Amino acid sequence: KAGVTQTPRYLIKTRGQQVTLSCSPISGHRSVSWYQQTPGQGLQFLFEYFSETQRNKGNFPGRFSGRQFSNSRSEMNVSTLELGDSALYLCASSSTSGTNEKLFFGSGTQLSVL
Amino acid sequence: QKEVEQNSGPLSVPEGAIASLNCTYSDRGSQSFFWYRQYSGKSPELIMFIYSNGDKEDGRFTAQLNKASQYVSLLIRDSQPSDSATYLCAVNKGDDKIIFGKGTRLHILP
Repeated sequence: KAGVTQTPRYLIKTRGQQVTLSCSPISGHRSVSWYQQTPGQGLQFLFEYFSETQRNKGNFPGRFSGRQFSNSRSEMNVSTLELGDSALYLCASSSTSGTNEKLFFGSGTQLSVL
Repeated sequence: QKEVEQNSGPLSVPEGAIASLNCTYSDRGSQSFFWYRQYSGKSPELIMFIYSNGDKEDGRFTAQLNKASQYVSLLIRDSQPSDSATYLCAVNKGDDKIIFGKGTRLHILP
């Protein structure tokens, strides 16, 4: 079974630009969560989608948005990039959503904002 | 108070000894608890989960949960150099958000 696939692996953008990251979950998984990982803050929850609906959202500004398609693939968009958005963005999929959710992570997209 | 707290380490443990990693959480409504291992340059992978008070063993790993004291721990017996990694504690809060601690760096000394 293929794992969670994230594309692209690396991105370099400049301030003010926007970026779209893609995540394909494990086949059969309907939940996709997004996390931002930085050395100083660790893994921070961005949002979770389940069956095309956003179930949960973290404490990030509205510049961060996402969506999920009917095939469970998800995209995350960041508009008006800031230097502080430089981070590893991790996507995780799960077969369920809720209390016993176990996350399987992709390799991440390393975003550098110059 | 941070939602999930871990000592950042590094925690250095001799090979063959027991490594003990601790985590505290603030939300009493939290219902499930996870330990993820992250090697440098890699993504986190789930190694243990626990839902009920007490101990849960899986091979060399034991997760311990004490909801009254709001702490979770991970014991690694017979530590190996391949156990050197960052260990992330994660908590599913009552609102089903999975929140991670910043992780504890573990270094197994050969």
